[in-house]
Amino acid sequence: NAGVTQTPKFQVLKTGQSMTLQCAQDMNHEYMSWYRQDPGMGLRLIHYSVGAGITDQGEVPNGYNVSRSTTEDFPLRLLSAAPSQTSVYFCASSSPNRQGQGTGELFFGEGSRLTVL
Amino acid sequence: GDSVTQMEGPVTLSEEAFLTINCTYTATGYPSLFWYVQYPGEGLQLLLKATKADDKGSNKGFEATYRKETTSFHLEKGSVQVSDSAVYFCALTSGSARQLTFGSGTQLTVLP
Repeated sequence: NAGVTQTPKFQVLKTGQSMTLQCAQDMNHEYMSWYRQDPGMGLRLIHYSVGAGITDQGEVPNGYNVSRSTTEDFPLRLLSAAPSQTSVYFCASSSPNRQGQGTGELFFGEGSRLTVL
Repeated sequence: GDSVTQMEGPVTLSEEAFLTINCTYTATGYPSLFWYVQYPGEGLQLLLKATKADDKGSNKGFEATYRKETTSFHLEKGSVQVSDSAVYFCALTSGSARQLTFGSGTQLTVLP
């Protein structure tokens, strides 16, 4: 059971470099989202998607881009990395209920730890 | 906007002790409430949930009751084990329910 798979698990970047965090899910979930986890701040939503071709901004979207070309994949792009983006990143997926609303029952990947020097 | 406030950690208990982790919330409408757990080196997992006032969520010996009058959803367990050592997050979803709002997390360490 793969569930939600994130790669890479660890990455070190220099300021100004770009990279993509990959996220794939095999549960046919319509909703996918990216969170960042920082000490003392819990998880904060970066971007989310309610289906292929549809994305929207969360609480902290600046410096990040996303796209959703397929149901399975939801990559997160850092265009020009900054030290403030040093964090642990989690991808999550879920399915809506029959009324088309989110249930809050998210399935998380194991996380990607990013350090920007 | 919506917000979740958790008790400050870290919390250290001896095995078989009683656990309470406080959680209060601010939200418009009628939110659903959740507790997620993060074991070391892993992603978050749903522990329990409650979708309306006075509902009690329970799983693995943990319980939490949705108290609308005090806007609280405190997590409790009668006898903790070493394997319960983890970070616990309170969360809510409301409105269109497309995203969760998380608390800051509480680190629990249980000593043998």
